[in-house]
Amino acid sequence: KQEVTQIPAALSVPEGENLVLNCSFTDSAIYNLQWFRQDPGKGLTSLLLIQSSQREQTSGRLNASLDKSSGRSTLYIAASQPGDSATYLCAVKHSNYQLIWGAGTKLIIKP
Amino acid sequence: DTAVSQTPKYLVTQMGNDKSIKCEQNLGHDTMYWYKQDSKKFLKIMFSYNNKELIINETVPNRFSPKSPDKAHLNLHINSLELGDSAVYFCASSQEGLAVTDTQYFGPGTRLTVL
Repeated sequence: KQEVTQIPAALSVPEGENLVLNCSFTDSAIYNLQWFRQDPGKGLTSLLLIQSSQREQTSGRLNASLDKSSGRSTLYIAASQPGDSATYLCAVKHSNYQLIWGAGTKLIIKP
Repeated sequence: DTAVSQTPKYLVTQMGNDKSIKCEQNLGHDTMYWYKQDSKKFLKIMFSYNNKELIINETVPNRFSPKSPDKAHLNLHINSLELGDSAVYFCASSQEGLAVTDTQYFGPGTRLTVL
């Protein structure tokens, strides 16, 4: 059974720092891995999608990596800003139509 | 122009009542989903519809009944509400659900509180 774990559950850093969020999954047979952002009272927004054949994806200050063999992904945020404060969720597409989700990392960027 | 919309945003009701949550997407997607996010923030898939056909039906009490009148709408009806149904319910859609590049677009959520 696929399980997704995110560490840490919460993280607070000063503005301007680079930071890494971690995601691990138990079954390497995945179609893709996705990182989402959830703001309070709002829905989720897709940030990056890494296909199983890819190693990383980049969008602006965000870089996500995927190591399928070890069952790990990281989300790197460069030069963090207060606007980056949100909960970041990792999800793996384990089968058609279905994503398996981690519980998220709540990120607070202090001005 | 909202891509995935849900109504209502907040729903407070008594135990035993029946309620519905509506979802609409204007992205032209073929697949729609209902998720439940509990107090620990875990997102769990409840149902998935592709072209109005039920694809995924996880272990959800049969008090929950999804209805898809057309590709753009997936409504969730809940009978005999219980305290444990209190959660945030998210609707989402995606192009098809199969492709490795398929990603999901989420509505803003409906916070259901059962008293």
